[in-house]
Amino acid sequence: DVKVTQSSRYLVKRTGEKVFLECVQDMDHENMFWYRQDPGLGLRLIYFSYDVKMKEKGDIPEGYSVSREKKERFSLILESASTNQTSMYLCASSLVGGLEKLFFGSGTQLSVL
Amino acid sequence: AQSVTQLGSHVSVSEGALVLLRCNYSSSVPPYLFWYVQYPNQGLQLLLKYTTGATLVKGINGFEAEFKKSETSFHLTKPSAHMSDAAEYFCAVRYNTNAGKSTFGDGTTLTVKP
Repeated sequence: DVKVTQSSRYLVKRTGEKVFLECVQDMDHENMFWYRQDPGLGLRLIYFSYDVKMKEKGDIPEGYSVSREKKERFSLILESASTNQTSMYLCASSLVGGLEKLFFGSGTQLSVL
Repeated sequence: AQSVTQLGSHVSVSEGALVLLRCNYSSSVPPYLFWYVQYPNQGLQLLLKYTTGATLVKGINGFEAEFKKSETSFHLTKPSAHMSDAAEYFCAVRYNTNAGKSTFGDGTTLTVKP
């Protein structure tokens, strides 16, 4: 069964901490994505990657960075966590092409205190 | 820039009633269209998608959607709701350009009453 695995289901961090969210896919997908999900706002794209070491900003990249050193792994980094980054974070992957569906991880609920 | 509008953030139906969740998109070119479902404490999973060809698309769990280009719509329907359909539903568009970035609607929470 195909899988997108996010390393933590729940995470609690302090303001100012550096936070790493990890995502691994086992489907050899070229494209990987990080979304943020907030009630009433749907899914908003933070960053995406279409190849190893390649990244593109999404709609809300401020306060975030990403790393993709290996094809299967895509990391989201909060350089200095703030309370307004408390949210559900969803990782997704897909094959190349607009008609391909996204495969999602189960999400990481991050609370920044 | 493309956008997706889901009319109604909350929809409530009785078990056995028709389910209708609305989705309209704004785009200069026809996109690929998707409906995803999210059950509590889970990620999103694909219900159905429209790429080309027949405009009425059937998906999992008895859901279907019809692409209407003239109305820029892709509404999701199910003839008879089941309690297990209670979830959040997202409409999304995607293109071959821009690395296949997807744009999602704000979501519709479906409640099914016994």
